[in-house]
Amino acid sequence: NAGVTQTPKFQVLKTGQSMTLQCAQDMNHNSMYWYRQDPGMGLRLIYYSASEGTTDKGEVPNGYNVSRLNKREFSLRLESAAPSQTSVYFCASSPSSGTLTYEQYFGPGTRLTVT
Amino acid sequence: SQQGEEDPQALSIQEGENATMNCSYKTSINNLQWYRQNSGRGLVHLILIRSNEREKHSGRLRVTLDTSKKSSSLLITASRAADTASYFCATGRPPQGAQKLVFGQGTRLTINP
Repeated sequence: NAGVTQTPKFQVLKTGQSMTLQCAQDMNHNSMYWYRQDPGMGLRLIYYSASEGTTDKGEVPNGYNVSRLNKREFSLRLESAAPSQTSVYFCASSPSSGTLTYEQYFGPGTRLTVT
Repeated sequence: SQQGEEDPQALSIQEGENATMNCSYKTSINNLQWYRQNSGRGLVHLILIRSNEREKHSGRLRVTLDTSKKSSSLLITASRAADTASYFCATGRPPQGAQKLVFGQGTRLTINP
């Protein structure tokens, strides 16, 4: 099992450019998440998907869109990148569903710099 | 907004000593989780404790939860150099506790050989 994979590992964008971060999990998990982590900070939730076909906003959704393409894949899109979106982005998945909580499994992260 | 606040923000101890990190939170929760992050890597889950539990153990890790004080602690016994990492608590709140976690800012732990 590869667990949670993310591509790319590193990306540099100019202000106004767009890009999509890809995430896939092979653990048959229901829930998937996108977080960002700024230096010296904890993780902040951008968007999450409780199940295939559903998505919902997290704490910091502005400037981002997501697609839950199927049960395995959850992508994050920046339509017009801004320097404030410079961060490390983590994707995670979890077998959580309904009101039953389980742990989250994290990918290795994408380090994004917007100049 | 950050729900959990870890204390201390940084901790440096000698190998073999015990390390204790604390997490306080503001609102009711239905579970609290601890994660470890090695520098430049993704987070790794350590322990999940539910609101009706008071203590859980996993190897050298012991987690306590006091819902009346809205606080949790993570104890690492007999620390090793490999325990050097940042440690985060994360809380799940009702009614959507299953789906969303709110992370604290973390404690940076350094184990000196």
